[in-house]
Amino acid sequence: NAGVTQTPKFRVLKTGQSMTLLCAQDMNHEYMYWYRQDPGMGLRLIHYSVGEGTTAKGEVPDGYNVSRLKKQNFLLGLESAAPSQTSVYFCASSSGQGRLSAFGSGTRLTVV
Amino acid sequence: AQSVTQPDIHITVSEGASLELRCNYSYGATPYLFWYVQSPGQGLQLLLKYFSGDTLVQGIKGFEAEFKRSQSSFNLRKPSVHWSDAAEYFCAVGEPIGTYKYIFGTGTRLKVLA
Repeated sequence: NAGVTQTPKFRVLKTGQSMTLLCAQDMNHEYMYWYRQDPGMGLRLIHYSVGEGTTAKGEVPDGYNVSRLKKQNFLLGLESAAPSQTSVYFCASSSGQGRLSAFGSGTRLTVV
Repeated sequence: AQSVTQPDIHITVSEGASLELRCNYSYGATPYLFWYVQSPGQGLQLLLKYFSGDTLVQGIKGFEAEFKRSQSSFNLRKPSVHWSDAAEYFCAVGEPIGTYKYIFGTGTRLKVLA
């Protein structure tokens, strides 16, 4: 029972490079979320999805894009990485109504 | 817009002492309320949650939280802290309908003195 799996766990990018973070869940959850965590700022919602094929902006969406082509996967893309995007990224999923929320173990991204 | 405030950035308590971590929220109706714990370098673990009903909620690891509608608060408590409780604690608000998205507070870092 894997739960929520994030890949990669660590990554260093140069400014301007692009990358995609993958979140996969095996719980058949409808709802998936991407957060970033920065010291003193808690977790801030980047984008979220309420079902396959749907995405929506959260609190801090600028500089990120997402896709939910398959129900079990939620991809977060950085088209042109900036140092301000250095952060720890967490993916989460839920069956709705907060009953079965699960978090991935995080991706630590450094942009130099 | 919904928001969550955790007024204490750091709290230090002695092992065996009682603990209360504060959380206040702003939302138009009664949201879903959560407390998560994060150990260094780890992901988030759900401690407890409140949806409706009894305003005193029991969670894992001996934690409990009380929902007070009049104060828009959901404070986390533990009667006797253990050294292993040292971690960062996050309060979160969840939308009860629609997107079910969660908004987190900025966290309280707990230090436990031996």
